[in-house]
Amino acid sequence: RKEVEQDPGPFNVPEGATVAFNCTYSNSASQSFFWYRQDCRKEPKLLMSVYSSGNEDGRFTAQLNRASQYISLLIRDSKLSDSATYLCVVRGYGQNFVFGPGTRLSVLP
Amino acid sequence: DGGITQSPKYLFRKEGQNVTLSCEQNLNHDAMYWYRQDPGQGLRLIYYSQIVNDFQKGDIAEGYSVSREKKESFPLTVTSAQKNPTAFYLCASSIGGSNNQPQHFGDGTRLSIL
Repeated sequence: RKEVEQDPGPFNVPEGATVAFNCTYSNSASQSFFWYRQDCRKEPKLLMSVYSSGNEDGRFTAQLNRASQYISLLIRDSKLSDSATYLCVVRGYGQNFVFGPGTRLSVLP
Repeated sequence: DGGITQSPKYLFRKEGQNVTLSCEQNLNHDAMYWYRQDPGQGLRLIYYSQIVNDFQKGDIAEGYSVSREKKESFPLTVTSAQKNPTAFYLCASSIGGSNNQPQHFGDGTRLSIL
């Protein structure tokens, strides 16, 4: 089993849709969780950290379920500019960052 | 502006040649990392360094070498032993230690074989 797994995608959604991405991790000792977005042929950029109580940043909401070892990212009112690959990243205490394979999103006009 | 600078943006390697990719950060981060990304694939860790003058192998270190003589610099050498070097190389840094701070990335170097 891979350390971090994500929905295989791609997700093709119309503008204005709500889309949810899921991520599961295998290391129960994981401490830190992040969502990055990566545009085609560009570097990953931090979208948001994920906190235990869940957190929201505008149209983006992240949730963490430690018991199920599961992280989610919800995007509301999708924009064309949201088209990218979304990477789930997990880090254990004193350990390196582990990247999921990513889920590609295409928002269609 | 604080950030991570990678150079060059594009690099071509001849057979049997070693090439060095530069990574400099002015974020005062202790930890630095090198990743390789192949088309349509995820990031794979090559080497990382948590502190100056110390570095560790990642998952795919064979055919690569690094040095960490200064806190702000972490160059990666792709040696002739790396038979399939064509990829997108990403350098990242983080505050380091066991904390909840994320990584930040440079804008990458694309390496191709001539």
